[in-house]
Amino acid sequence: QVHLAESGGGLVKPGGSLRLSCAASGFTFSDYYMSWMRQAPGKGLEWVSHISSSGTYTYHTDSVKGRFTISRDNTKNSLYLQMNSLRADDTAVYYCTRAASCGGASCLDYWGQGTLVAVSS
Amino acid sequence: DIQMTQSPTSLSASVGDRVTMTCRASQNINNNLNWYQQKPGKAPKFLIYVASNLQSGVPSRFSGSGSETDFTLTISNLQPEDFATYYCQQTYSDPYTFGQGTKLEIK
Repeated sequence: QVHLAESGGGLVKPGGSLRLSCAASGFTFSDYYMSWMRQAPGKGLEWVSHISSSGTYTYHTDSVKGRFTISRDNTKNSLYLQMNSLRADDTAVYYCTRAASCGGASCLDYWGQGTLVAVSS
Repeated sequence: DIQMTQSPTSLSASVGDRVTMTCRASQNINNNLNWYQQKPGKAPKFLIYVASNLQSGVPSRFSGSGSETDFTLTISNLQPEDFATYYCQQTYSDPYTFGQGTKLEIK
């Protein structure tokens, strides 16, 4: 069955960097767009980044543009999020998600368990 | 960006009740609207796509409706496991924004 497992979260100082990874299994990874979502403590869900199946097309929400980079390695069934210049408001649980086509539109049909990124001095 | 507004912010109900929550988009999104359920400390679970289609395995007591800018999620015959926070999400245009959530609590 589909399984997504994030890793790489932790405590980092403002201005620091982290690289999140997501190991995918149970499906043909190279057939799917993939996305990162985040959820700040006690808050709602926020779309962060997504990447096309081949990796050619990427999108980042405005608040992370120029600081975060989404990438993937289809030979390793892995998704990544390089996060630089981290700020306190980047503190959140980060979820790796599979973006499928549902009824002709996009949907996030599988989610990982999440990894916590805490930015604090 | 398209703004998604959910109401109410919270909702109290009892087991066996029927509840409805709404999601409004700041512009026409056709029916490109998904619903997710999230329980405390867990990842969201995908429930409904394209406004009214149940994801495989989702109980039939869940239903969705709406189009353009106004959408609803209805849960009939509430079960204990349904008490959670529900989020809508538009996938009409980037960024695929979420509503702020409706927390369904036990009365």
